[in-house]
Amino acid sequence: AQKITQTQPGMFVQEKEAVTLDCTYDTSDQSYGLFWYKQPSSGEMIFLIYQGSYDEQNATEGRYSLNFQKARKSANLVISASQLGDSAMYFCAMRDRSGSARQLTFGSGTQLTVLP
Amino acid sequence: ETGVTQSPTHLIKTRGQQVTLRCSSQSGHNTVSWYQQALGQGPQFIFQYYREEENGRGNFPPRFSGLQFPNYSSELNVNALELDDSALYLCASNPGGTSGRVTTDTQYFGPGTRLTVL
Repeated sequence: AQKITQTQPGMFVQEKEAVTLDCTYDTSDQSYGLFWYKQPSSGEMIFLIYQGSYDEQNATEGRYSLNFQKARKSANLVISASQLGDSAMYFCAMRDRSGSARQLTFGSGTQLTVLP
Repeated sequence: ETGVTQSPTHLIKTRGQQVTLRCSSQSGHNTVSWYQQALGQGPQFIFQYYREEENGRGNFPPRFSGLQFPNYSSELNVNALELDDSALYLCASNPGGTSGRVTTDTQYFGPGTRLTVL
């Protein structure tokens, strides 16, 4: 069964600095997708970035980049130039072909706090 | 803005009651998934509907049921509420089906309904 592990319950970063949020995953499937979502205190899950297992280049979306290391089964999120508005819960999620619904499996999340 | 809306925002029920939560997906999104997020945890998959039929279910009992309608709206029904059902309930929609290779078919989430069971 697929599994996502986020080992950092909480992280602090100074405004304007970069931060890396860790994510490791486990799947026996060769075809899968990895997602990062941001959840502010309001509760809505906001899609940030996607990496496919066959993608050769690391995904980037503005200040977000995904450090994908397939052999190590890790998909860390890098946020550059942190802003106060980046303070939120961040979830790593995976989708593979196990199960008929191709549902997302989420990690336990990392609470990021950006300090002024 | 994801174009996915949910109602109500908050709800308080007592143990043993029944509840219906509603979700309106983006137009053209044929797939809707429901997740339960307990406090301090990541979302857990409840079930998914594709073109008005359930096509996958997580580890939730039958008292959790759903419906999807042709107008891109859907419902999550929970019978015989228990205290542990207190959680944030999220719906998510995406355009495609579930056959074939995993794609970039991203799920877009609504703001959630926070259910409290007393």
